[in-house]
Formats: sequence, C-alpha cells, structure tokens
Amino acid sequence: EVQLVESGGGLVQPGGSLRLSCAAPGITFSFYWMSWVRQAPGKGLEWVANINQDGSEKYSVDSVKGRFTISRDNTKNSLYLQMNSLRAEDTAVYYCAGTTSSSGRGPFDIWGQGAMVTVSS
Amino acid sequence: DIVMTQSPDSLAVSLGERATINCKSSHSVLKTSINKNYLAWYQQKPGQPPKLLIYWASTRDSGVPDRFSGSGSGTDFTLTISSLQAEDVAVYYCQQYYNTPPFTFGPGTKVDIK
Repeated sequence: EVQLVESGGGLVQPGGSLRLSCAAPGITFSFYWMSWVRQAPGKGLEWVANINQDGSEKYSVDSVKGRFTISRDNTKNSLYLQMNSLRAEDTAVYYCAGTTSSSGRGPFDIWGQGAMVTVSS
Repeated sequence: DIVMTQSPDSLAVSLGERATINCKSSHSVLKTSINKNYLAWYQQKPGQPPKLLIYWASTRDSGVPDRFSGSGSGTDFTLTISSLQAEDVAVYYCQQYYNTPPFTFGPGTKVDIK
C-alpha cells in the first residue's frame, strides 16, 4: 500500500547536514504536491515543508526556515529535503507525504514509511 | 497559524462500543464559497506511518470501514468509531489544510481497549 520510500536518514552531529530523499516509483509523481512531515520520538505529527508539482512554490514551517530546503526532480520521481544547521530538536522520523489537490490544500493520501534522523554529539 | 486541539488525550473503550474524538481549530476551516471543511483525520498504529481515514471532514477514504465517520463544521469536528474493533487501537490525529501552510495537526488521541 505504501507508495513512497524515504532514504538518507542517520546520526548527525549538531550543526551538521543531511539530505533526505523520497522515491515515488508507483505513482504519477508530477501530479502531486509533496510534503515532509516529521514526528519526534513519542510525539505528534508536525508538517515541515511542501512543494508544488513543478517546484515553483515552496512553503515551510518557521522553525526550519533558512535551514531546510525542499526540492524535487520529476524526471527521477523524487523529493528531497536538504537539512543544514541541524539541532537536537530536529531529531525525528521524517515522512514524505503527498496530495493530488491541484492547489496543495488537500489531505495527504500517500505516505512513506519514514526515515529516522538523530541529531546528537 | 491555525492551532488544532483534540480531546480527550486518550480513551479506553470496550470492544464493540462507540469511541468519540473531538477536534477544535482556532480558526474556521470552512470555505463557505464551496461549503467544504478543510479537515482530515488520520490513524497511526505503532511503527507505521499515518493513514488517511477521513477528508473534507466527513468523506471516508477508499477502503476505510464504514464504522469510521467524521462530522462537524467550522471549528468543531468529531471522529466517531461506531463499534470499536481490536485493530482500531491507534493514535488518531486531525489536521487542517485550509489556506496557505503550515498545515497543522492536532496533538493526537490515543485509543485503547478497555
């Protein structure tokens, strides 16, 4: 049922960088607004960033502005999250998720299994 | 930003009984021009990603059992499980996707068997 596959998670020191990838082999990727949603250990869900179908519109939560960059490559059916200046509070499972809403204001009907990012010295 | 709250934080219900979860938004998520509430419900089981249950506040996603139903409008919403089954043990989240991001989630409600 899961149609998205994240990779690139791992352990990184505070101040370090990491790049997450999300592959979408089983869907018409270019139809989807895509998002990253994270979940700190034992906590709830937090929407992080999203990007429209052609990559011309991007939004992010205030806590990651200037540090995280969302991007996509429709030729590779892939979504990315470049995370710089990582902090301990960025430790979480990062999910990619998508909606077919043309405006991006729609429910997330596809999700990946998640990638764990741990920021610790 | 729109703040989402949920109640209760957790509840325990006997098998076959009704479970009711409430969600409130700090701003109306009803787009009156099209009469749609920009509100979804997700179910998350341990170790799994969230799964979409309900969107537009009351539309069940494909394959979701009809014991799950959503209701409400504006700022107050309810997810009801009419007859709790063992496989419904999970955390349930509401989420608004009204207007521009951030698309905020509620803090979650944990549902267990009594």
